[in-house]
Amino acid sequence: GAVVSQHPSWVICKSGTSVKIECRSLDFQATTMFWYRQFPKQSLMLMATSNEGSKATYEQGVEKDKFLINHASLTLSTLTVTSAHPEDSSFYICSGGGNYGYTFGSGTRLTVV
Amino acid sequence: DQQVKQNSPSLSVQEGRISILNCDYTNSMFDYFLWYKKYPAEGPTFLISISSIKDKNEDGRFTVFLNKSAKHLSLHIVPSQPGDSAVYFCAASAAFSGGYNKLIFGAGTRLAVHP
Repeated sequence: GAVVSQHPSWVICKSGTSVKIECRSLDFQATTMFWYRQFPKQSLMLMATSNEGSKATYEQGVEKDKFLINHASLTLSTLTVTSAHPEDSSFYICSGGGNYGYTFGSGTRLTVV
Repeated sequence: DQQVKQNSPSLSVQEGRISILNCDYTNSMFDYFLWYKKYPAEGPTFLISISSIKDKNEDGRFTVFLNKSAKHLSLHIVPSQPGDSAVYFCAASAAFSGGYNKLIFGAGTRLAVHP
């Protein structure tokens, strides 16, 4: 079946630094990649949608300059949290849309201290 | 504005009995619905889906029912097993040709199946 590999699974960073999260579709081409954020005991909130080779579309209230998304190829999408602050601490999950429907990565737990 | 609602935050069921998880939606443009199972610190795992042209879809112990007029869907798990204990998310999408549209998730229902 389809697999999306997401790295790192967890990361701790200092306030003000940037963190990059990678999602790779291993055995399918993800024409569309979705990025979600989940706060404890809450739902998955869509942050942005990206199509390979084009700019991401951000949901209302999500700062595009803070959450940089790159979808340069059909198998790789990255989310960079720039100038991270403690309130950015959350669980980030990617999801690739391809021939197998929506396939989710395993998530990244980001803690900003 | 919550377009997908799961009004029961938790559900406790005895092993072997039926688990029924409910989901309501408000957007009449939604025509594709999915159920996911999720453990803490992991990504969601796809369980079953249904398109709006159907009112029922079955896969093993999992059955999803869709009532379009009521904008309501439910996931039935029978018989329930302790390994089914997890958080279940309902998600909806308005499909369009040529690509994948975004999924809107409900708040989730925590299912506990006890012996």
